[in-house]
Amino acid sequence: DAGVTQSPTHLIKTRGQHVTLRCSPISGHKSVSWYQQVLGQGPQFIFQYYEKEERGRGNFPDRFSARQFPNYSSELNVNALLLGDSALYLCASSVGVGGEQYFGPGTRLTVT
Amino acid sequence: DQQVKQNSPSLSVQEGRISILNCDYTNSMFDYFLWYKKYPAEGPTFLISISSIKDKNEDGRFTVFLNKSAKHLSLHIVPSQPGDSAVYFCAASKRTGANNLFFGTGTRLTVIP
Repeated sequence: DAGVTQSPTHLIKTRGQHVTLRCSPISGHKSVSWYQQVLGQGPQFIFQYYEKEERGRGNFPDRFSARQFPNYSSELNVNALLLGDSALYLCASSVGVGGEQYFGPGTRLTVT
Repeated sequence: DQQVKQNSPSLSVQEGRISILNCDYTNSMFDYFLWYKKYPAEGPTFLISISSIKDKNEDGRFTVFLNKSAKHLSLHIVPSQPGDSAVYFCAASKRTGANNLFFGTGTRLTVIP
């Protein structure tokens, strides 16, 4: 069975640009969560979506937004990129709102 | 404010010996705890979890202990193997409502052959 997949693997953007990251959950999983991992830190929660509805939001500015599609895949959008947005962005899926979350390999975003 | 803390950034252990990784949390509302292992260039891999109604959960070589009164949990790996070398993250959540995980900063385990 395929695990959580994310695209692209790596991305380089310049300050002020916009970026869209994509995630496909494990088959049968209806919840997707997004995390940001800055070098040397643990992942930090950004959003959780379940059945296309936002179920949780972390302490991130409004420049960050996300959505979930009918097939349960998800997109994370970041506007007006800052140097500090450079990080590994992780997507995790779970069957429901609770329970174990399974992570994808991440998208490495570099903002120059 | 770091609600989940892993105070040891690194740990080295001889192959075959026990590895003990520690984690402390501050939020008494957390009732579900997980350990993840992360290799470079990969996402975290779920290892083992424990609910606050238990004080121990075992899965093969991995055992997690929870001390609610001390707000402390630990992961024991016995026996340690070189393939266990990775960064280990402790995470916590409140099972009601959103399932956002709060992660510690990680402990890099090196198992020496």
